[in-house]
Amino acid sequence: EVQILESGGGLVHPGGSLRLSCAASGFTISNFVMTWVRQAPGKGLEWVSTISGSDDSTYYADSAKGRFTISRDSSENTLYLQMDSLRVEDTAVYYCVKCGGGLDVILYYWGQGTLVTVSS
Amino acid sequence: EVVLTQSPATLSLSPGERATLSCRASQSVRSYLAWFQQKPGQAPRLLIYDASKRATGIPARFSGSGSGTDFILTISSLEPDDFAVYYCQQRYNWPPITFGQGTRLEIK
Repeated sequence: EVQILESGGGLVHPGGSLRLSCAASGFTISNFVMTWVRQAPGKGLEWVSTISGSDDSTYYADSAKGRFTISRDSSENTLYLQMDSLRVEDTAVYYCVKCGGGLDVILYYWGQGTLVTVSS
Repeated sequence: EVVLTQSPATLSLSPGERATLSCRASQSVRSYLAWFQQKPGQAPRLLIYDASKRATGIPARFSGSGSGTDFILTISSLEPDDFAVYYCQQRYNWPPITFGQGTRLEIK
């Protein structure tokens, strides 16, 4: 059974950093495209970043480029999102999503999310 | 960037009625469109991908149609559990992956 569990959210000051983790079970994350999607309070869904399942290519939304880094640790079967230079507008629930293989970005399975609050 | 526009913003219907939700793309996304359901406090759930393919475990009352720029999600006979927010999403022309702004389906 596919299970996805995000952690690492919390309260951080503007300009600070946070690393989100996404622990996966029931599948091997290195074989699949993995994606982060966020949702600001009361707002819609926003794609943040994707890492491919084939060659570890990474992709970022303009809002994340240069500040966020997606990566994975195959030995831990865990996906990460390193977030630096955080802004108030980064406040959101961050979802980790399992996609397909190769570069298939169908957003099949979602974790329950972790809340990031950026505030002074 | 492909902009997805969903209509209506809010749809008020009764259980047993048929729901028709629309998603229009600013340029063709071929059939690379998905639909998600989100209930309060929960993560989104994939309903439909590639415009018309039901995801695993999704009831047959949910169906998707369309291609190019115009797409429809139909719920044939609403059940109480179907009242939620629905989002469309495209993966044809990415990055970025983009979502519509959502349609809230509420009980009349």
